[in-house]
Amino acid sequence: EAQVTQNPRYLITVTGKKLTVTCSQNMNHEYMSWYRQDPGLGLRQIYYSMNVEVTDKGDVPEGYKVSRKEKRNFPLILESPSPNQTSLYFCASSPGASGGYTFGSGTRLTVV
Amino acid sequence: QKEVEQNSGPLSVPEGAIASLNCTYSDRVSQSFFWYRQYSGKSPELIMSIYSNGDKEDGRFTAQLNKASQYVSLLIRDSQPSDSATYLCAVYTGGFKTIFGAGTRLFVKA
Repeated sequence: EAQVTQNPRYLITVTGKKLTVTCSQNMNHEYMSWYRQDPGLGLRQIYYSMNVEVTDKGDVPEGYKVSRKEKRNFPLILESPSPNQTSLYFCASSPGASGGYTFGSGTRLTVV
Repeated sequence: QKEVEQNSGPLSVPEGAIASLNCTYSDRVSQSFFWYRQYSGKSPELIMSIYSNGDKEDGRFTAQLNKASQYVSLLIRDSQPSDSATYLCAVYTGGFKTIFGAGTRLFVKA
């Protein structure tokens, strides 16, 4: 089954404790992206990747890091999480940047 | 700042009616337009894409694009209670970025 797999689904952590949210797709898509979703603000892009080793900032990149060492994987790293990063996070992939996305199931992160 | 605007709703329609969802965008050079459906607690699911002016139909869904007015809409015919969800409008503006609206909540009353 074609899918984007995110883990974990739920995560509660403390301020400053480094964490990684994993994302993997099995569709051989070139383009991958991370979004956060907050009430009233919709989906905002954090980072995106056009291909292996090619990444760039979205609209809200502060406090986040990404890497794309393999085509299928695009982890999101929070080196020192803060409470304002409490949100619902989605990984998405598509064949190209201009196409429609397939989304992962989401990660609900709470930073206390 | 490039923007995509949607009425947050909720939009309430009776079962069997036509639901009309609207979206405006600010960047005139936008190229690709998408509608996603998101059920509560779930991830967005792509339901329609449209790239040129006019209408595009897929089953009960019709997407309409008017680039001159910077307007894209989604019509849902014969609305069903299972269509109750939040509908997200998304616009690819170039530069490898897609911008999403905040979504319109739709309730279909049985």
